[in-house]
Amino acid sequence: AQKITQTQPGMFVQEKEAVTLDCTYDTSDPSYGLFWYKQPSSGEMIFLIYQGSYDQQNATEGRYSLNFQKARKSANLVISASQLGDSAMYFCAMRERRGFKTIFGAGTRLFVKA
Amino acid sequence: DVKVTQSSRYLVKRTGEKVFLECVQDMDHENMFWYRQDPGLGLRLIYFSYDVKMKEKGDIPEGYSVSREKKERFSLILESASTNQTSMYLCASSMTGTGSYNEQFFGPGTRLTVL
Repeated sequence: AQKITQTQPGMFVQEKEAVTLDCTYDTSDPSYGLFWYKQPSSGEMIFLIYQGSYDQQNATEGRYSLNFQKARKSANLVISASQLGDSAMYFCAMRERRGFKTIFGAGTRLFVKA
Repeated sequence: DVKVTQSSRYLVKRTGEKVFLECVQDMDHENMFWYRQDPGLGLRLIYFSYDVKMKEKGDIPEGYSVSREKKERFSLILESASTNQTSMYLCASSMTGTGSYNEQFFGPGTRLTVL
């Protein structure tokens, strides 16, 4: 069965430093997609980055990169040069090719300190 | 600019009331979703729809129903609201296909309180 695990309920990082948010997943489908979303205090979910299971390279989008380790079934989000505006909830999500459903982890709340 | 809108940001209802949450998207997306978000539980899928008049149960459909009469509109109905349905409700839409085009676009959410 599909499962997403985010083991860090909360994280602190100093402004301008890099931070890694952990995500592990479980699926029996060889074809799937992994997503990260950001949810600021305003409540709206914002798509950050996507990684396909067959992608050879780790995805990058500006200051966001996804450290994809397929054998370990992990898809950690790396935020470089943290900014105060990065303080938010972050959700890891997965969608299998064979279905319409996307499942979400419990989320990690990131606090960026000045 | 692509957009998903929800009818209310905040809603307070009484136990036993019938509650309608409306969601509209302007991106011509085939798929639409209703989630509820509770602290420590992430987002849980209530129902989704992959076409007009089509609907599929998600992980927690009990106590809810949905309606999709038009492609752009997906309604969540609480037939008889209960206090354990107090939550944040998020609507989302996505295209059909693979890759990053499967990203879901979310509405701002409706925070529902049932007294």
